[in-house]
Amino acid sequence: DGGITQSPKYLFRKEGQNVTLSCEQNLNHDAMYWYRQDPGQGLRLIYYSQIVNDFQKGDIAEGYSVSREKKESFPLTVTSAQKNPTAFYLCASSFRTDEKLFFGSGTQLSVL
Amino acid sequence: EDQVTQSPEALRLQEGESSSLNCSYTVSGLRGLFWYRQDPGKGPEFLFTLYSAGEEKEKERLKATLTKKESFLHITAPKPEDSATYLCAVANQAGTALIFGKGTTLSVSS
Repeated sequence: DGGITQSPKYLFRKEGQNVTLSCEQNLNHDAMYWYRQDPGQGLRLIYYSQIVNDFQKGDIAEGYSVSREKKESFPLTVTSAQKNPTAFYLCASSFRTDEKLFFGSGTQLSVL
Repeated sequence: EDQVTQSPEALRLQEGESSSLNCSYTVSGLRGLFWYRQDPGKGPEFLFTLYSAGEEKEKERLKATLTKKESFLHITAPKPEDSATYLCAVANQAGTALIFGKGTTLSVSS
């Protein structure tokens, strides 16, 4: 089955720790995205990538980093510089940036 | 600046009570308007894409319409299983990522 897979489903971060969220897709999509969702805030764009080895900052990129070494994979690292990381993180992919997105099932990140 | 505003933030309906959700947008060159449904703790699920004013699309009890300034998601005779958050997003001519509104949370009681 084609789809987009996020892992883990739940993640806990200790103070000063970096954590990495995984996102893999087998839809042959060129574009991939990371959104953050807080209650009542809708989806806010962190980073997106339109092609391998290239990515652009979204509206709330500070405290996050990404890489796009393979077409299928777009991991997100939440660094210790992100002081309020507790949120629901959604990964998505599409053929082009002006086409519909396919979403993963999300990762809930909490701070210990 | 491109912007999407959804209203109301929350809507409570009785089963069978039809209503509409609104998505107003300001965008530099609309390339598409998208509706998604999101259940708690899950990723959004695609519903519709609309491309030009006057276009309409239907799926079961849902019907989406588009004008030059806004889109409506009409829900006819809703059932409790229609309860979810409905998200609207737009694509602009610059080719950046979709811009999402904050969503409308719909609760349908029997």
